[in-house]
Amino acid sequence: GNSVTQMEGPVTLSEEAFLTINCTYTATGYPSLFWYVQYPGEGLQLLLKATKADDKGSNKGFEATYRKETTSFHLEKGSVQVSDSAVYFCALSDRRGYQKVTFGIGTKLQVIP
Amino acid sequence: ETGVTQSPTHLIKTRGQQVTLRCSSQSGHNTVSWYQQALGQGPQFIFQYYREEENGRGNFPPRFSGLQFPNYSSELNVNALELDDSALYLCASSFQGNTEAFFGQGTRLTVV
Repeated sequence: GNSVTQMEGPVTLSEEAFLTINCTYTATGYPSLFWYVQYPGEGLQLLLKATKADDKGSNKGFEATYRKETTSFHLEKGSVQVSDSAVYFCALSDRRGYQKVTFGIGTKLQVIP
Repeated sequence: ETGVTQSPTHLIKTRGQQVTLRCSSQSGHNTVSWYQQALGQGPQFIFQYYREEENGRGNFPPRFSGLQFPNYSSELNVNALELDDSALYLCASSFQGNTEAFFGQGTRLTVV
């Protein structure tokens, strides 16, 4: 079956530091890959996505590249802000059959001033 | 374009009771999925509805059931509530065949 493995947090960074959250996946098909963000007390928001190998998803300064050869989709941001503090979920959705989303455990990011 | 809306936002129930959660899908979306997110965990897929029928189910017992209505809104019903059912329940809507799902704010269910 499909699965997503991401680094466990919490991750604590100073403002303007560089962020990397690692994510690898296992899938039987050729999935679409996503990063979702969850702010305290809220639901999930789609942060970025990539649908095929070597695609780069980007949004709000965050980037992730679909690496089929290493089955990875690492999230990066060059300079984090306090407002980026949240839980980040790596996820995939198989194009075949019904499109359920499989999530990683989530990585909590805390950015301190 | 309206987003995915869920009601209620918070709910407290007693063990053994039944609960119904509601979801209105995003305009133009014909598929609704439900997820359970326990504290400190990633969301887990419960089931998906398309054309008013369940077309996929995760590893949840039959006391978790659902409905989808002609306007694509949906309900999640849980019977015989257990303490472990305490979680954030998330609804997601999408267009069938499109892998991108849009999530609501969730319903926080507490079973005491």
